[in-house]
Amino acid sequence: EVQLVESGGDLVQPGGSLRLSCAASGFTFSSFAMNWVRQAPGKGLEWVAYITDSSNTIYYADSVKGRFTISRDNAKNSLYLQMNGLRDEDTAVYYCARDQERLGMGFDHWGQGTLVTVSS
Amino acid sequence: SYVLTQAPTLSVAPGKTATITCGGNNIGAKSVHWYQQKPGQAPVVVIYNDGDRPSGIPERFSGSNSGNTATLTISGVEAGDEADYYCQVWDGSSDHWVFGGGTKLTVL
Repeated sequence: EVQLVESGGDLVQPGGSLRLSCAASGFTFSSFAMNWVRQAPGKGLEWVAYITDSSNTIYYADSVKGRFTISRDNAKNSLYLQMNGLRDEDTAVYYCARDQERLGMGFDHWGQGTLVTVSS
Repeated sequence: SYVLTQAPTLSVAPGKTATITCGGNNIGAKSVHWYQQKPGQAPVVVIYNDGDRPSGIPERFSGSNSGNTATLTISGVEAGDEADYYCQVWDGSSDHWVFGGGTKLTVL
C-alpha cells in the first residue's frame, strides 16, 4: 500500500524557518517525481514545488521561489521542503503528492498533510 | 501565468446530474485532472487525462475537455459526493502545475 506521511509542521514566527519531511513507503520512491501542495485555511489547493525522481529538475511556484527548497533522499525514501523567510501567507496545510504525470495520471497519491502556522 | 476558472459553488438535488466546469485558454489542448476533497481529508483524483477514471471511482464520474472548457460530470449525485472539486493542468510554458479555485458541491 502506498503511504505518504508528512511531518515537521509547527508554529513559527514570521521570518523564521521550518523543514518539512514526507516519508514514503509501499512503492519504489526513487522512480517517481514528487510535489508539495499547500492549502491555506478555508482556501483552495496551491501547488508549491516539484522535483523529478533523480532531483535533476526542480520547479517552484512564484510565491515561494527563492525562499523554499525542495529536495529528496532516495536512500531514505524521503522528500523535504526547507522553508525560509516564512510569511503569514505561508500558513497552510502542506501535502506531499506523488506525481504520475509521466503516465498522464496527475497526482495519484497524497499524504494527510502537516500544518504550518506562521504567526507572531 | 495560466489561469483555471471554476464556479465557487454548485447545488444539486440527489439523483440529479452535477456539471462542474473548468475554464482555461485553449484548455482542450491540455490534459486535465480532477480531484475530490472532503472536509479534513486529502484530495483524491477522480478523473485523470480528461476523462479516465482511476480504479475504485464510480462510473457516475466522467469527464470531457474541449475548446476553453473542461467538464466533470457526476451522474445520479449522492450525499457522499458532497465535497470540493478541483481541476488541474500542467502549464508547460511556465513549468508550473496549476489548480482551479475549486467548486464546492452541495447535495440538497
